[in-house]
Amino acid sequence: DAGVTQSPTHLIKTRGQQVTLRCSPKSGHDTVSWYQQALGQGPQFIFQYYEEEERQRGNFPDRFSGHQFPNYSSELNVNALLLGDSALYLCASSTNRGSNEKLFFGSGTQLSVL
Amino acid sequence: GENVEQHPSTLSVQEGDSAVIKCTYSDSASNYFPWYKQELGKRPQLIIDIRSNVGEKKDQRIAVTLNKTAKHFSLHITETQPEDSAVYFCAALPGGGSYIPTFGRGTSLIVHP
Repeated sequence: DAGVTQSPTHLIKTRGQQVTLRCSPKSGHDTVSWYQQALGQGPQFIFQYYEEEERQRGNFPDRFSGHQFPNYSSELNVNALLLGDSALYLCASSTNRGSNEKLFFGSGTQLSVL
Repeated sequence: GENVEQHPSTLSVQEGDSAVIKCTYSDSASNYFPWYKQELGKRPQLIIDIRSNVGEKKDQRIAVTLNKTAKHFSLHITETQPEDSAVYFCAALPGGGSYIPTFGRGTSLIVHP
């Protein structure tokens, strides 16, 4: 049973560029959440997708957008990259059924903006 | 919104000692409190969780206690081992139908052999 998988593992971009990160949820999960984790900080919630729609959103600008596909996988897009966007981006999946609070995290994508 | 404070930011102990990490939350409607362990370069992993209708939960060497009145909860690790060294995050899930936990800033636990 595959867990949550993310790609790529590392990415280097320059200011102003755009980036797309990908996530496949754990088997049986239908909900995907994205988090930004700056060095030495806890994960900060970006948004959550369920049934291919954004269900909740954290305090992030519109430069951050996402998508969920019919197979429950998800993408995070960040436009007009800033130096401050450098962070570990974590995807977490969960199920909307039963004990739906438990999050299973991927290993993350380390984004460096130069 | 929910605010979670976590202390200490760094905790250094000798192997075999106990370690305690404390968190406070602001939203009295919060009803679910997970703890995650993140080893260096790895994903956060859920190690234990507690719901608001329970005061304490134990799983081998780790335990979590919850004081709803004071709005704080703690992680207790007994007989620490070097492999317990990691960053530990607490989180609180607010009520009102939200499924998004708010995380603390993390505690770096170092267990010296």
